[in-house]
Amino acid sequence: SAVISQKPSRDICQRGTSLTIQCQVDSQVTMMFWYRQQPGQSLTLIATANQGSEATYESGFVIDKFPISRPNLTFSTLTVSNMSPEDSSIYLCSANLETPGTEAFFGQGTRLTVV
Amino acid sequence: GENVEQHPSTLSVQEGDSAVIKCTYSDSASNYFPWYKQELGKRPQLIIDIRSNVGEKKDQRIAVTLNKTAKHFSLHITETQPEDSAVYFCAAGGFQKLVFGTGTRLLVSP
Repeated sequence: SAVISQKPSRDICQRGTSLTIQCQVDSQVTMMFWYRQQPGQSLTLIATANQGSEATYESGFVIDKFPISRPNLTFSTLTVSNMSPEDSSIYLCSANLETPGTEAFFGQGTRLTVV
Repeated sequence: GENVEQHPSTLSVQEGDSAVIKCTYSDSASNYFPWYKQELGKRPQLIIDIRSNVGEKKDQRIAVTLNKTAKHFSLHITETQPEDSAVYFCAAGGFQKLVFGTGTRLLVSP
């Protein structure tokens, strides 16, 4: 298994500002992902964080709004830029180990409130 | 791309009863089907998964079945306990990507 540490765990931010969320895995992983979970809703994939190259974004999410870094195989950041109240959500980091299989582990999430 | 539908959205059972949650998927290339349990304010936790080369898998009170032809898979919880109360998510995909269902809120009453 993998241990994923995500921080901050929560934050309250002013609209128009940006917040960077960090995700640290205790072992090298091939795939890292960022999800958004609106209150009471399912998990929506924002993007796949690719090591050494630009992230792959899902439909409806763009790099200017959600820039992602992945400098190595254990760390990634997600920035929520120019925030508005609609960005209030839980943001989750996830990682897959190559072995034993495709099980995805999650960080504890970042609860973001934009006021 | 993949689309996952999950039913029911809420499920209330009495302690000791069985609970069944069903999901359908659209992409025949999906080969991995995990189920996650998420308690309030917590991260999703994997409870069981199944791969496309297997039709059924069981782990104590939890079992998952997969019908590749019909593109559906189900979670079965037997002898439910109050601590099983949570939101359950199915997902479909593979190593590159997972698409999650909409979730089922399971309430087990003592």
